[in-house]
Amino acid sequence: SQQGEEDPQALSIQEGENATMNCSYKTSINNLQWYRQNSGRGLVHLILIRSNEREKHSGRLRVTLDTSKKSSSLLITASRAADTASYFCATEAYTGFQKLVFGTGTRLLVSP
Amino acid sequence: DVKVTQSSRYLVKRTGEKVFLECVQDMDHENMFWYRQDPGLGLRLIYFSYDVKMKEKGDIPEGYSVSREKKERFSLILESASTNQTSMYLCASSRGGRNPYEQYFGPGTRLTVT
Repeated sequence: SQQGEEDPQALSIQEGENATMNCSYKTSINNLQWYRQNSGRGLVHLILIRSNEREKHSGRLRVTLDTSKKSSSLLITASRAADTASYFCATEAYTGFQKLVFGTGTRLLVSP
Repeated sequence: DVKVTQSSRYLVKRTGEKVFLECVQDMDHENMFWYRQDPGLGLRLIYFSYDVKMKEKGDIPEGYSVSREKKERFSLILESASTNQTSMYLCASSRGGRNPYEQYFGPGTRLTVT
């Protein structure tokens, strides 16, 4: 099955810096979503970008989608210690069931 | 706020036991999902349901079954637990229909099979 692969696997930055995570996938998608997971907890939805969109913003988050390269990026600006978490991209194909396929995630550590 | 609850945060079972994991959502969502999460493998879909009494296999259904008798409740059943089913289990729900919607996750159940 298609699977998003995030890059890098781990990222360590200082508070105030920007964090960029990348996601690549293999086949055509209907939409791509980003989720955050704090240690040992459930996932929280961050942003959804449809296949006909190129960029989307939500607060300090900026997501881009390049369907020709089958890739997406998540930018978190002015990072805070509270942004420390794992970030996952998830792709949905045209199945009609809203079935998501998740990548393996990027672990982000933001140090004060 | 959407709330998805799971019956246990931590569970320890013995090999061969029958295990029930319960998930309840309070937002009248049509779709419900069960995933397992393992280090280095991300989340993998076990089963999902798009309506009461309807179920579809995900990517790794072997060794699992599900039940959805009521819209708000989706149960994952391990018929005979094995050590390779030690994992974090996550339940999620979402609205149905043609438009894409985000999934709402429960806090997870960390299952250990000894």
